Amino acid sequence: SQQGEEDPQALSIQEGENATMNCSYKTSINNLQWYRQNSGRGLVHLILIRSNEREKHSGRLRVTLDTSKKSSSLLITASRAADTASYFCATDEDSGGSNYKLTFGKGTLLTVNP
Amino acid sequence: DAGVIQSPRHEVTEMGQEVTLRCKPISGHNSLFWYRQTMMRGLELLIYFNNNVPIDDSGMPEDRFSAKMPNASFSTLKIQPSEPRDSAVYFCASSSSGGSWETQYFGPGTRLLVL
Repeated sequence: SQQGEEDPQALSIQEGENATMNCSYKTSINNLQWYRQNSGRGLVHLILIRSNEREKHSGRLRVTLDTSKKSSSLLITASRAADTASYFCATDEDSGGSNYKLTFGKGTLLTVNP
Repeated sequence: DAGVIQSPRHEVTEMGQEVTLRCKPISGHNSLFWYRQTMMRGLELLIYFNNNVPIDDSGMPEDRFSAKMPNASFSTLKIQPSEPRDSAVYFCASSSSGGSWETQYFGPGTRLLVL
């Protein structure tokens, strides 16, 4: 079963607005990553946040992590049409003790209208 | 660097035929992952190689699926015989040493349609 679950499944906004996507997971994690997938392409890594971090920034991206609520959010500020893509969170919660396995959620489809 | 290279990009085949998907990881990466993406199940890990050795193949659906990594620069995923339910996008990804804290670099994927 999919562990990291994104919310909402789809989000449509106007260019310039902020977009917030959420990810929930079920058990403890060591780290959480966010990836972007443009239509017909492979996934591209955006940012990683470790379990001992609460917030991280990268350009227009802001990621938060609340381990008590087992959730993370990805905020994209001042969105652009080029941000249109699916966004996935990936956790190591289902690794079964391994140190390599990432479990991906089903993603949020973000559409930024010009 | 050219990134992860996959071929073919698209494959249409008939049920029962053998399908071979190919992947060239980023040079210097010693970890390689094969994933399958469908609308219903999302992105699933099929098999993980480290230093060309299969470490975890628990995600391989059944005996019809097999994967090899004969050297550090090449891997194949084979489906024989193929079935319509195998229709999906198959991704290959590589990372430096495979840790879950590392960035995985994905190829463009192979879109497989089994008729």
